[in-house]
Amino acid sequence: QITLKESGPTLVRPTETLTLTCTFSGFSLSGRGVAVGWIRQPPGKALEWLAHVYGHDNKFYTPSLRSRLTIMKDTSKNQVVLTMTGVDPVDTATYYCGHLDSTKWYYYDFWGPGILVTVSS
Amino acid sequence: DIQMTQSPSSLSASVGDRVTITCRAGQDIRTYLNWYQQKPGKAPKVLIYGASNLQNGVPSRFTGSGSGTDFTLTISSLQPEDFATYYCLQTASAVAYSFGQGTKLEIK
Repeated sequence: QITLKESGPTLVRPTETLTLTCTFSGFSLSGRGVAVGWIRQPPGKALEWLAHVYGHDNKFYTPSLRSRLTIMKDTSKNQVVLTMTGVDPVDTATYYCGHLDSTKWYYYDFWGPGILVTVSS
Repeated sequence: DIQMTQSPSSLSASVGDRVTITCRAGQDIRTYLNWYQQKPGKAPKVLIYGASNLQNGVPSRFTGSGSGTDFTLTISSLQPEDFATYYCLQTASAVAYSFGQGTKLEIK
């Protein structure tokens, strides 16, 4: 059974760096056919895809935030970490991590419950 | 980026109605289009992947169709638990994925 869970700070000050961790179980993030990604959702707004990392360590980022995001995997710990530099109140959102099935169709089939991160001084 | 335009942004309907939500891609995405249902305070749940494939455990009243740039999600007979917000997600671009803006389905 695949499960994922996000962890990290729930309050961050403007200009600081946000570090979020996705801890997962039920699969291994190694080799082809699987990835773990991050998606966020500001309160009352739409979902926004941020980034994902494949088992073979290829990484992809949304163009608008590419300069501020870094995604890394730790296969031994079954974790994926997302860092976002220079946060702003507009980065206030629920952040989700998801398992990407990339064997054929490429879709997020399992999601964590999400973590609400507030950016405020 | 591939822009995804979803319509309508909101929709009022009654239990038993048939409803259709559309998603248009800014360029050809073949059938790399997925549909999600999201209820308040919950993570999205995949309904349809690859434009027309029903995810395991999802009721058969949900159907997806389309290819290229135009896609639809149809709910054949609305049930009370279907009132939620629906999103499309394109995964054709190996560089960046993108969601539609969402359709909020409300009870009339």
